[in-house]
Amino acid sequence: TQLLEQSPQFLSIQEGENLTVYCNSSSVFSSLQWYRQEPGEGPVLLVTVVTGGEVKKLKRLTFQFGDARKDSSLHITAAQPGDTGLYLCAGAPGGDMRFGAGTRLTVKP
Amino acid sequence: NAGVMQNPRHLVRRRGQEARLRCSPMKGHSHVYWYRQLPEEGLKFMVYLQKENIIDESGMPKERFSAEFPKEGPSILRIQQVVRGDSAAYFCASSPPTTGHYGYTFGSGTRLTVV
Repeated sequence: TQLLEQSPQFLSIQEGENLTVYCNSSSVFSSLQWYRQEPGEGPVLLVTVVTGGEVKKLKRLTFQFGDARKDSSLHITAAQPGDTGLYLCAGAPGGDMRFGAGTRLTVKP
Repeated sequence: NAGVMQNPRHLVRRRGQEARLRCSPMKGHSHVYWYRQLPEEGLKFMVYLQKENIIDESGMPKERFSAEFPKEGPSILRIQQVVRGDSAAYFCASSPPTTGHYGYTFGSGTRLTVV
């Protein structure tokens, strides 16, 4: 069983659509991070959420941390082909970061 | 300010050979983490090191795998007597001492292919 469960595993949508991906756990985290990984590259940090209920916006991306700090969501408005990639959530229950299996997003033009 | 540098980017080894993967952390970062990624999968934690110390190696196979982060020079992930199942992308990340829980900086990875 994964510490962080991400859903859906795969998502294929048309340009201009909205989408939400989820990251859930039974554990409480002091913070959660979201990364995006493109083919052939390492993950790149998008955002860190720290406070329960916190909402952060990064252009068309909206990140929310659950009130109980066990889950997080990423909402993308008007998706573009450049948003294509693997979206990973991560948290550090102990001294080092553990990752979910990711949501692989494809945005078709 | 250079990011996390990993080399080589691609490495091909025959079964039974040794693979050495190098990682130079960002300037000012003293914590290094190694992860393995299989195709179509997420990142699996392997080992967490500080200078001259292994902090957590719970994700690393007990046999054939070792890691070090010497006082001088890059961190090295060493795989002895490689097998086909070792083929994967290996990523290194670094963080400064006090902000590790606020995100890591990753390198571009080393893609190991065992033939």
